[in-house]
Amino acid sequence: SQELEQSPQSLIVQEGKNLTINCTSSKTLYGLYWYKQKYGEGLIFLMMLQKGGEEKSHEKITAKLDEKKQQSSLHITASQPSHAGIYLCGVSRGGSNYQLIWGAGTKLIIKP
Amino acid sequence: EAQVTQNPRYLITVTGKKLTVTCSQNMNHEYMSWYRQDPGLGLRQIYYSMNVEVTDKGDVPEGYKVSRKEKRNFPLILESPSPNQTSLYFCASSLYRALRTDTQYFGPGTRLTVL
Repeated sequence: SQELEQSPQSLIVQEGKNLTINCTSSKTLYGLYWYKQKYGEGLIFLMMLQKGGEEKSHEKITAKLDEKKQQSSLHITASQPSHAGIYLCGVSRGGSNYQLIWGAGTKLIIKP
Repeated sequence: EAQVTQNPRYLITVTGKKLTVTCSQNMNHEYMSWYRQDPGLGLRQIYYSMNVEVTDKGDVPEGYKVSRKEKRNFPLILESPSPNQTSLYFCASSLYRALRTDTQYFGPGTRLTVL
């Protein structure tokens, strides 16, 4: 299994509805990043979480890192067509290894 | 404008024909990295560089080379491309090596097709 699992893999949501995307790690997370990707385009940084229990918001998007630092959730309130895209979580492996690993992504479609 | 640029954005080539994808950042970032993105597999790191003349392998380095002769540039070289290297490639950079607290900025991507 992958070190970083995202769920669901894809999501179709009616415009105006709320939704949640999860990112679960098999190891303790030292720094977790959420990015959004428009189909076939570059990645846009959304938020970075470090501390257990930390929560950050940007417009209608809220991300949390659980206390045990092995899972993060991304919550979108009152979804809009502009929220459509692929959401990716990435984590630092920690230690002296500066590599980031990434989840496979969650594809979000907003139905008008 | 602070940005990471990649060229070309789209490339169709044939097996065995050497190619280079350029990456440049204008933010004086120490850390640069190359990823490939494939359906269902997410982003996988190919190579990364912590500073000039310092590079290291990521998770999928086979068939790729990189160099970091200048801080701003980090080209990705495919000496003999094969069809399994058909993918969407991203270059990224961040200010510091301490990635636990730093944001990675991504280029717009290069879609490579190897026939």
